[in-house]
Amino acid sequence: DTGVSQDPRHKITKRGQNVTFRCDPISEHNRLYWYRQTLGQGPEFLTYFQNEAQLEKSRLLSDRFSAERPKGSFSTLEIQRTEQGDSAMYLCASSHPRGKNTEAFFGQGTRLTVV
Amino acid sequence: GEDVEQSLFLSVREGDSSVINCTYTDSSSTYLYWYKQEPGAGLQLLTYIFSNMDMKQDQRLTVLLNKKDKHLSLRIADTQTGDSAIYFCAEMPGGSYIPTFGRGTSLIVHP
Repeated sequence: DTGVSQDPRHKITKRGQNVTFRCDPISEHNRLYWYRQTLGQGPEFLTYFQNEAQLEKSRLLSDRFSAERPKGSFSTLEIQRTEQGDSAMYLCASSHPRGKNTEAFFGQGTRLTVV
Repeated sequence: GEDVEQSLFLSVREGDSSVINCTYTDSSSTYLYWYKQEPGAGLQLLTYIFSNMDMKQDQRLTVLLNKKDKHLSLRIADTQTGDSAIYFCAEMPGGSYIPTFGRGTSLIVHP
């Protein structure tokens, strides 16, 4: 088990371009989360999947953002028409319920810079 | 992170104990977590405590929970330079599976 894997680690893109990030959760973890973190802030929740179902989306997730988890394993997060304000670290986490606890394990993140 | 509050900075001398504090607002939170983030890296889960516990100890880490005051603390004994990082408190509100994070406390350990 290699932990939560995110790709790419870094992405620099021009304003207006589309970008897509990938997350591979820990195997058999049925819950997957996307967070965004900007400098000096804690992770802010974007969206959450249980298996392939997207169960919750934050108000932060504008129409330009879309996330998928088609087979209940890996997930992708796409940002269309990127803006400079989208520059941030995008973190993926996964968890598997044991009883009532659902401790989330994070990947290393994808750092997006929009120029 | 506006529902979870932490002080932003803490500076300690190597070998001393560090105490990082956190307050949360959701009294229904069942689990509370401490994560560590080193520069340029993701978050590493350090420990967690269930809401029916007052204290949990794990090697150099001691977590104290005051549920009445919704106050959580993390004590690191014998703090080392390798403990320098940002520490995040997170709550799991009752009925939710989504951890909510504070802004983090930057721990600086100096010789």
